[in-house]
Parts: sequence; C-alpha cells; structure tokens
Amino acid sequence: EAGVVQSPRYKIIEKKQPVAFWCNPISGHNTLYWYLQNLGQGPELLIRYENEEAVDDSQLPKDRFSAERLKGVDSTLKIQPAELGDSAVYLCASSLGLVSTGELFFGEGSRLTVL
Amino acid sequence: AQSVSQHNHHVILSEAASLELGCNYSYGGTVNLFWYVQYPGQHLQLLLKYFSGDPLVKGIKGFEAEFIKSKFSFNLRKPSVQWSDTAEYFCAVIQGQNFVFGPGTRLSVLP
Repeated sequence: EAGVVQSPRYKIIEKKQPVAFWCNPISGHNTLYWYLQNLGQGPELLIRYENEEAVDDSQLPKDRFSAERLKGVDSTLKIQPAELGDSAVYLCASSLGLVSTGELFFGEGSRLTVL
Repeated sequence: AQSVSQHNHHVILSEAASLELGCNYSYGGTVNLFWYVQYPGQHLQLLLKYFSGDPLVKGIKGFEAEFIKSKFSFNLRKPSVQWSDTAEYFCAVIQGQNFVFGPGTRLSVLP
C-alpha cells in the first residue's frame, strides 16, 4: 500500500517568492492534515480537512498561507509571499475517519529554505 | 489547551542500556496518548498508543509506555536499546480532533 506522498522534498527560494507543496494521502483516508515542523520542535497543526472541507484552519496564517483539497483527495499548501521565518519542514498526514482511531500516517515532508 | 512537555532534548546511550523518555501533558480528564518515532531520513510513524484499559501499553520493537494519571505522565521505556533505535521520539495527546505533539527527544545510541 502506498503511503502519504509529498512533493517536492526540498525547496529553496528567495524571500517574497511564492511556493507550493503537494500531498497525496493514503487511498480512502478522508482526513488530511498539514503540519509545520520547525527545527528542534514537534509538528504543529496548520489545517485539517475532512474530505474537501477545511474543518480547522485556526492556526493557518491566512495572510500568506492558503490550502485547498479539491475533490477531497490531493491537497496543496501555498505560501505567498514567503518570509525567512517560513523555513521549516511542512508535513502532510492522513487518517481513516476520526482521530479517535488513533493513528496518523505521515509523509516524508517538504523542507523549505527561504533565503 | 493541552500541551505536551518532554523532559530531555537529547539522550545518548550505549547499546544494551535501558531507556526511559519522559512525557507530561498539561491537564487531565480522558486522554488519548501516543508515541511517534522518526528514524533518520524517514517519516514519522506510530510506536504505540493508549486509549483506555491497561495503563502499561506495549508497542513495536520492544517499546512500552506507562500511563500514570496522577502524574499526567506517559513515559516511554525500553529495557535494552539497540543502535537501530537512534531516532527522534515525539509524545502526543489528542485535543478535540487534533494531535498536539511535544517538542521531541533525540535519542542517539552508540554501538
């Protein structure tokens, strides 16, 4: 079974440039998460989708970050414009049904460096 | 809101040493607790979880964790570590429908 797929794995951009990350969750997983992981810290939730609906985007900095999950499958996270402080790893995860089933499946992450 | 603390930032052990990594969460009630592990170059994966029942939970690769409600703790243990256990370990708790992760503990096992 294929896991959660993310691309690109690495991205280096100059500040003020736009960047986009793509995630393909495990087939059949209706819940999709985007997390931000800064160096030396644990993942922090940015946004959670149930199917195509963003049910929790309270931690997403909406002035520069946006996300979409068309058709309730793949998802894209965009930053425009990027700032130096956005350098981090962006993790996508998916789960089957509600969180109470107990397991998130993570992708390998997209490491962003903003110069 | 829930928060998770992990006592050690970096732990260095020799092979065959015993391991205990601390994890505390901020407030009680019914909690669901997890340990995730990230091996070098790999994605985060579930090590073990506690939902209810026996407070001593056994996971993969010989790991176990004990839920102590009175101490708000969920410490991870392994009696004898191997070089292949070198990884970053994250404790997590469910808040609402989301996971709240601790800052992680990096474990280095020396051969």
